[in-house]
Amino acid sequence: DAGITQSPRHKVTETGTPVTLRCHQTENHRYMYWYRQDPGHGLRLIHYSYGVKDTDKGEVSDGYSVSRSKTEDFLLTLESATSSQTSVYFCAISGSASGKPGELFFGEGSRLTVL
Amino acid sequence: AQRVTQPEKLLSVFKGAPVELKCNYSYSGSPELFWYVQYSRQRLQLLLRHISRESIKGFTADLNKGETSFHLKKPFAQEEDSAMYYCALLSYFNKFYFGSGTKLNVKP
Repeated sequence: DAGITQSPRHKVTETGTPVTLRCHQTENHRYMYWYRQDPGHGLRLIHYSYGVKDTDKGEVSDGYSVSRSKTEDFLLTLESATSSQTSVYFCAISGSASGKPGELFFGEGSRLTVL
Repeated sequence: AQRVTQPEKLLSVFKGAPVELKCNYSYSGSPELFWYVQYSRQRLQLLLRHISRESIKGFTADLNKGETSFHLKKPFAQEEDSAMYYCALLSYFNKFYFGSGTKLNVKP
């Protein structure tokens, strides 16, 4: 497996609280992505990053923000969690430092429950 | 806009039977398509990509630009093929878009 870890792996929180999920890679890959996985919807892109401090929105970015202050870390923040954000969140990385994205390597997922 | 469609949520076949998981896409550019698989308690992983035109674990997929399809096929399904399968499209600005997934259940 590519060197990619997510934390926390499981979290239960209450509506209205802020939540931050962390994705850490040791592969020096240029591209990093956050997806959410929901039954019937598959994987939907939330945000992605194409370099340090370079990020862009995906399909379902409302209610989420991201930051990438260094190559290895990509943070996903829910400013005020809602029950509709209960999901499994996957981080993925791709691409060598200079190349185009190719194969996606996924983390193990973070299961978030918002009560 | 880009879109990936997997019309079947669940596909059940018997061991040894042929299997075909459907994927259709819409994309205005030249598509790069992939199949990813998620086995129980494992990470999502790449199964194959259309550019490499290779066969992985007996699976093949052919890009049909006329029908905008990238169906995944295997002539003889095995129980260990039971998993969740996702079709994915590499779109503009290096974004990957996924379909809603098909759960393959291979019965003994």
